[in-house]
Amino acid sequence: LAKTTQPISMDSYEGQEVNITCSHNNIATNDYITWYQQFPSQGPRFIIQGYKTKVTNEVASLFIPADRKSSTLSLPRVSLSDTAVYYCLVGGRGYGGSQGNLIFGKGTKLSVKP
Amino acid sequence: GAVVSQHPSWVICKSGTSVKIECRSLDFQATTMFWYRQFPKQSLMLMATSNEGSKATYEQGVEKDKFLINHASLTLSTLTVTSAHPEDSSFYICSFKEGRSDEQFFGPGTRLTVL
Repeated sequence: LAKTTQPISMDSYEGQEVNITCSHNNIATNDYITWYQQFPSQGPRFIIQGYKTKVTNEVASLFIPADRKSSTLSLPRVSLSDTAVYYCLVGGRGYGGSQGNLIFGKGTKLSVKP
Repeated sequence: GAVVSQHPSWVICKSGTSVKIECRSLDFQATTMFWYRQFPKQSLMLMATSNEGSKATYEQGVEKDKFLINHASLTLSTLTVTSAHPEDSSFYICSFKEGRSDEQFFGPGTRLTVL
């Protein structure tokens, strides 16, 4: 499974846009990119998933360049409640059925300040 | 999204006892499930993967005789920590992979403290 590299931590202020970039240089052709959010003492929560270009949902956007060797999670106008650890994962989904397991890297600890 | 529950949410036990953690998918049927362990300030570490009706596949370094996994049905899986020791104290998280969409849903976790 492709290894991912993220910044260990990031700081931001309320109302700002936060972009967290993840590197996955050896991503496989049929790997998807998935981001999870985890609060202390809770299970991870799915944020967004994409394969290429741009994906947007009600909470975030995911930008994936053409070579797919990196991806950027964009959180618009963060609030204090967005303080959490954000994990970037690749793999875990393939055409026609399950493929592989989700292996978590170290994640990025985002701290949002007032 | 799909709901996964875990019970208990936290447990404190004496060293040498066994603890069972239940994981249920409440509104979908899961073909595959996973158990993770997370130590303080660390990432989730996959312990084992199992498909309903078959034996679990354990990750390297995880003792299958110590961490017993029973994937009893498409909606229930249990993890039993046998003869627990203080070093087994951790946050245990289960997840299910939904059969049709292939999405993976996580439980809220169980905090195990072994005295």
